[in-house]
Amino acid sequence: DSGVTQTPKHLITATGQRVTLRCSPRSGDLSVYWYQQSLDQGLQFLIQYYNGEERAKGNILERFSAQQFPDLHSELNLSSLELGDSALYFCASSPGGQTDTQYFGPGTRLTVL
Amino acid sequence: LAKTTQPVSMDSYEGQEVNITCSHNNIATNDYITWYQQFPSQGPRFIIQGYKTKVTNEVASLFIPADRKSSTLSLPRVSLSDTAVYYCLVAAGTYKYIFGTGTRLKVLA
Repeated sequence: DSGVTQTPKHLITATGQRVTLRCSPRSGDLSVYWYQQSLDQGLQFLIQYYNGEERAKGNILERFSAQQFPDLHSELNLSSLELGDSALYFCASSPGGQTDTQYFGPGTRLTVL
Repeated sequence: LAKTTQPVSMDSYEGQEVNITCSHNNIATNDYITWYQQFPSQGPRFIIQGYKTKVTNEVASLFIPADRKSSTLSLPRVSLSDTAVYYCLVAAGTYKYIFGTGTRLKVLA
């Protein structure tokens, strides 16, 4: 158990809908990262937050957004969903520095029908 | 921006040493390399991290040559429970995180 929690574990929705994925980091960690894992694209970095502020952006679509709240939990919002958005979404956390080890949560499996 | 590639799959027998290589170009001197293990439908699990020469912990070793164009994860004496997918992660440049393509390791009895 990494100490990172994610909810929900599974999510099934329809095209065009909007969903919110939630992540709680390990106690004391200030950085939260979001990754997408799909069969054709592998594990891809989406976005990083540090202590409430966006720190880095990766291959995140404009339809996707995230935020980190004062209690350090984070939410990833996915809107106008398409079939191709079906994937595993992982959250990771670390104390904050770029060289810190990232610890991953169990993931949310999103299925878009 | 670094690209990272790994062999698609490897087979090994129990008790053998396994070496998995991650090839990455254009990584800077201070870019860190981290290796993760992933089982089906689970999150990646940390194995080892380093940025130069050799690092060893209780489960693995990480070798990074001077040219830093690759890194090698070494798993001593693998067991059946080590059957998993192994990924390298390069922290490339300023807050850029690039996963390798993943290597599916199958350990045979």
